[in-house]
Amino acid sequence: DIQMTQSPSSLSASVGDRVTITCRASQNISSDLNWYQQKPGKAPKVLIYGASNLQSGVPSRFSGSGSGTDFTLTVSSLQPEDFATYYCQQSYSSPFTFGPGTTVDIK
Amino acid sequence: QLQLQESGPGLVKPSETLSLTCTVSGGSISSSIHYWGWIRQPPGKGLEWIGSMSYSGKTYYDPSLKSRLTISVDSSKNQFSLKLTSVTAADTAVYFCARSFGGPDYFDLWGQGTLVTVSS
Repeated sequence: DIQMTQSPSSLSASVGDRVTITCRASQNISSDLNWYQQKPGKAPKVLIYGASNLQSGVPSRFSGSGSGTDFTLTVSSLQPEDFATYYCQQSYSSPFTFGPGTTVDIK
Repeated sequence: QLQLQESGPGLVKPSETLSLTCTVSGGSISSSIHYWGWIRQPPGKGLEWIGSMSYSGKTYYDPSLKSRLTISVDSSKNQFSLKLTSVTAADTAVYFCARSFGGPDYFDLWGQGTLVTVSS
């Protein structure tokens, strides 16, 4: 199985900050990496698919990059509604594992 | 607009079978470009991929659950289902159904989730 790790596990930030979350795969997954946002009590929502493709309706302040084993989710200017937990997921090979999550809270 | 809704018992006894159904409304489950999947989230923990299935019957299961797991599609009812046998407290979680696009890929549409507790 492909193992996914994320760093940091949590971070505190202010509105307007630029935030970067890293996801690493235990083996090469090409660009088959997706990012989700989850708020408490809600279902996750896809933000980025295929490492860098912005899902329709997602604000352009979210961006993704990377390929192979190392990936990044960036929020260019954090907004109040962005405080949430973010998960990466590989869709390269089954089982399509999720990372452990990164919680972004208010500083 | 297509929506997904999970349904099933909220409490299951240890060693019994957990059965959930996901009803697809506002669209057809009989799509060649979508897969239908299940994800769970134990209380206070992260997301766990369970498995996915195409309308044509191709399945992908988490190997750690495969011996206990069945995912099936009922196109006549526009539903897909999950059955997990011999459950233990470790199977207590919020269970989400979801749709993925183009294959067992990213999940672009999710149900709201349903909490299933395994307890006697």
